[in-house]
Parts: sequence; C-alpha cells; structure tokens
Amino acid sequence: AQSVTQPDIHITVSEGASLELRCNYSYGATPYLFWYVQSPGQGLQLLLKYFSGDTLVQGIKGFEAEFKRSQSSFNLRKPSVHWSDAAEYFCAVPSGGYQKVTFGTGTKLQVIP
Amino acid sequence: KAGVTQTPRYLIKTRGQQVTLSCSPISGHRSVSWYQQTPGQGLQFLFEYFSETQRNKGNFPGRFSGRQFSNSRSEMNVSTLELGDSALYLCASSDEGGANYGYTFGSGTRLTVV
Repeated sequence: AQSVTQPDIHITVSEGASLELRCNYSYGATPYLFWYVQSPGQGLQLLLKYFSGDTLVQGIKGFEAEFKRSQSSFNLRKPSVHWSDAAEYFCAVPSGGYQKVTFGTGTKLQVIP
Repeated sequence: KAGVTQTPRYLIKTRGQQVTLSCSPISGHRSVSWYQQTPGQGLQFLFEYFSETQRNKGNFPGRFSGRQFSNSRSEMNVSTLELGDSALYLCASSDEGGANYGYTFGSGTRLTVV
C-alpha cells in the first residue's frame, strides 16, 4: 500500500530562515502527493498537491514542494519562515483507492524569534 | 462559501455511553470522510461516504459507524465508548474527484471519554 514517511518529528527554525520539511513516499507509479498544515486545535488545511507534470509545485502561504522520483521524496520548502508558520505539517498520499488518504506522522515546526 | 462545519466542537462523555458527531460539507461536495487523530496513532481513516453510500471503511471496530444524508451532511456514531476513543475527530469533504484532489477539513470535534 502507498505510504509516506516524515523522518523529522520536530524542527526548530529562526524567523526569517529557510525551511525544508522532508517526506519520502513508497509507491511504484507516480503518486498523488499532498502537504497539509494543522494549527493547534484546528483541522488540517491543504497547502499544495502534486499530480504529475512540473515537479516543482507552488502552494499557499509561500510554500513550495519538489517531487523527486529518484529519491522518492516530496519535500516542502519555504524561503523565509514567519512566526505564524509554527504548526504541524503532514505529508499525505491517497491509498486504498481514491476515497482514502494515508498521512505521515507529522513534523511539528517551532519558530523562534 | 462556507467551509466544513463540525458540531459540537467539544464533548465529554462517560465510558459506556454513545456519541453522535455531525459534519456539514462544503456546498456541492458529495464526499465526506472521517478521520480520528490521536497523539499515539496519528491520523487514521474511519470511513468515507458519497451520495449516501459508504465507499470505504478503515480498520475500526463495529462500534464506529456513520451515515450520510441526501443533503450530504454526515454523522458518525460511536457506541459503548472506551477511554481510548478520546481523540480529535475530523471530517473532510471533497468533490467528486475524491481524496485525489485534496480535502477541505473541518475544525474537528474533540471527544474526551472519562
């Protein structure tokens, strides 16, 4: 079954610094891939999605992600982090047909002044 | 347009009781999915409904059930509550493309079982 792995449980960056959150997927064909963000006590919000085509995907809030088949990765990036970006980030892949999504374990981002 | 609405936001129940959670999807979305989120297990898929039919179900006991109405609103029910059912229950809606095109989530219902 399709799955994703987020190797970093917690990441701390300084405000204004660049950010990269890692996601590795396990799937033979070209997968659909997503990044979601969850602020404390809230639901998840879709940041961006990859289906096919351009391997660099632009999302909301200044985020982008790059699909690299050779590395089975779909890492999320942002050039300059803002304090409001502190949240938990989930990589996800549809699995078990198109009605279900498998989420990674999440990476909690802390932003320090 | 209005987002996904989940009610109630918070619930406290006693072991053995049952609970019903409600979800109203984005207008026009006919697919509603439910997820359970806990610190230990993360986000786990419960079930998905489309046009009043359950199309997929996760690995949860039969105490967890759901349904969808003709207006696409969905409810999930948990009977004979256990302490381990304490979690954030998230509802997600999507259009006919389903999860492949991404979800819009509600804010969740925080269930505490005591």
